[in-house]
Amino acid sequence: GAVVSQHPSWVICKSGTSVKIECRSLDFQATTMFWYRQFPKQSLMLMATSNEGSKATYEQGVEKDKFLINHASLTLSTLTVTSAHPEDSSFYICSARDDIATLSTDTQYFGPGTRLTVL
Amino acid sequence: QKEVEQNSGPLSVPEGAIASLNCTYSDRGSQSFFWYRQYSGKSPELIMSIYSNGDKEDGRFTAQLNKASQYVSLLIRDSQPSDSATYLCAVNGRYSSASKIIFGSGTRLSIRP
Repeated sequence: GAVVSQHPSWVICKSGTSVKIECRSLDFQATTMFWYRQFPKQSLMLMATSNEGSKATYEQGVEKDKFLINHASLTLSTLTVTSAHPEDSSFYICSARDDIATLSTDTQYFGPGTRLTVL
Repeated sequence: QKEVEQNSGPLSVPEGAIASLNCTYSDRGSQSFFWYRQYSGKSPELIMSIYSNGDKEDGRFTAQLNKASQYVSLLIRDSQPSDSATYLCAVNGRYSSASKIIFGSGTRLSIRP
């Protein structure tokens, strides 16, 4: 089945530093990946859509200069939280759509998530 | 009105019974519908996808779709304690070419032994 990995699975950093999270599709190509954020006891909130070879599309209210997204290959997207602050502490989850399967379905496969804690 | 609405629960069901989870959506043009299961502290896991009106069965799970009523449901037969989780209803949005999926806020299901 389609597998998506994320690295790291958890990270603790100091306020003001930057953190990079990687999302990889392991056995399929993904032109499109998505980044979500989830606060405790809340649902997933889509932050941005990552497109291979082009700029990401950010949702309203998400600062593109703070959450930098790079989708340099068909299997890798990265999210960098710049100048992180305690309010950025959250569970960050990526998902990917299989380019081939997308011809008949738009199912998204989720990575295991990255728990970010900013001190 | 929220785009995808679910009862937040918790929904408590005795072990072995049928759990029924419901979801309504606002965009009549939506084409794809999904149910994800999310355990606490974990990422969502796809349970079912459904694209046409009617029922779709997979093991103990049955998804039901009624596009006229803009309603999608998930039935879990022979509920097990391991089914205790939050169930997220998701619907594809047609607002951009990326075909992003809109999630409901989730229903917490608790299966009591």
